[in-house]
Amino acid sequence: DAGVTQSPTHLIKTRGQHVTLRCSPISGHKSVSWYQQVLGQGPQFIFQYYEKEERGRGNFPDRFSARQFPNYSSELNVNALLLGDSALYLCASRDAGGNEQYFGPGTRLTVT
Amino acid sequence: GNSVTQMEGPVTLSEEAFLTINCTYTATGYPSLFWYVQYPGEGLQLLLKATKADDKGSNKGFEATYRKETTSFHLEKGSVQVSDSAVYFCALSFQTGANNLFFGTGTRLTVIP
Repeated sequence: DAGVTQSPTHLIKTRGQHVTLRCSPISGHKSVSWYQQVLGQGPQFIFQYYEKEERGRGNFPDRFSARQFPNYSSELNVNALLLGDSALYLCASRDAGGNEQYFGPGTRLTVT
Repeated sequence: GNSVTQMEGPVTLSEEAFLTINCTYTATGYPSLFWYVQYPGEGLQLLLKATKADDKGSNKGFEATYRKETTSFHLEKGSVQVSDSAVYFCALSFQTGANNLFFGTGTRLTVIP
């Protein structure tokens, strides 16, 4: 079975632009979470979605938004990009009964 | 609040040396505890976990014991290999709510031949 997949792998944007990152969970997993990992730090929780509803939100500004589709894939959107948004964005999926999260390879976003 | 504190790195060891990476936590409740590993250029992989006090998680020669009395979950391995070179993250989460992970800052391990 395929693991969590994310696209694109790398992305370069300029300040003020908008970006959309995509994630497909492991087949059968209905929960998707997004994390931001700045270089040299641990991942920070951004959002969790379950059954297309937001179930949790971390301490991120309203420029960050997300949604989950009927097939349980998810998008993370970031508006008005800042230099500080440069990071590895990780998606993780979890099945309904477990507490293990399985991570994708991440999308490396560089804002110039 | 909920937080994880990890031993600061980087850590450099010779092959076959003993490894300990310290991790302590603060939590409002009874969390599950995890160790994740991140190899260069990759995402996170779950290494091991423990869901309640005194549980021992183990995998690939690594082990960690959930110590409620000292709020710790130290990672150990008896004999490291060059292929163990990576960044190790300690994390906690709760079964209820968003189930999101709270991560430490990570410890970079380099094993030299």
